[in-house]
Amino acid sequence: ETGVTQSPTHLIKTRGQQVTLRCSSQSGHNTVSWYQQALGQGPQFIFQYYREEENGRGNFPPRFSGLQFPNYSSELNVNALELDDSALYLCASSFRRGSDSPLHFGNGTRLTVT
Amino acid sequence: GIQVEQSPPDLILQEGANSTLRCNFSDSVNNLQWFHQNPWGQLINLFYIPSGTKQNGRLSATTVATERYSLLYISSSQTTDSGVYFCAVVRSETDSWGKLQFGAGTQVVVTP
Repeated sequence: ETGVTQSPTHLIKTRGQQVTLRCSSQSGHNTVSWYQQALGQGPQFIFQYYREEENGRGNFPPRFSGLQFPNYSSELNVNALELDDSALYLCASSFRRGSDSPLHFGNGTRLTVT
Repeated sequence: GIQVEQSPPDLILQEGANSTLRCNFSDSVNNLQWFHQNPWGQLINLFYIPSGTKQNGRLSATTVATERYSLLYISSSQTTDSGVYFCAVVRSETDSWGKLQFGAGTQVVVTP
């Protein structure tokens, strides 16, 4: 069974640029969620996708957007990068829609904005 | 939103010691998970435990949903247990199912 995989592992961008992060869900999982974890804090929910549609969003501005593809893989796009966007970005997948289905996390992408 | 409080914030243990981490939450939940984040940032799922008791090797967890708390027990700690332990919940009914609300974590350091 393949776990949740994310790419790239590390990324350095300049303020104002755009970035795309990628996630492949664990085999058999059809929902995906994205989280941002700033240094020294717990992860914060960005949004989640089910059947290629956004289905729940946290307190993040519209310049954070995403996609889910038919094979359940996903992308997180961030436009107009700001210094505060520097963080570990985590993708999580779950077996099915429902809060009784545990989330499994990838190893994350560490983004540094200079 | 739901509040998740973890205690203690920091814990230093000698190898072989036992410890208990606590998670209090302010509303009823459908999902509660315990995670271990290692020094490399990897977030590892320890338990899915919205209620009841589970054990996995030296780790065990108990959630008393009616009293809104969960406990994580580490027995015979090892240096590889070092890292941050997070409790995360999904509030019942009104929140989207993927929206885990994390506590601030307990930083555990196990010394040889």
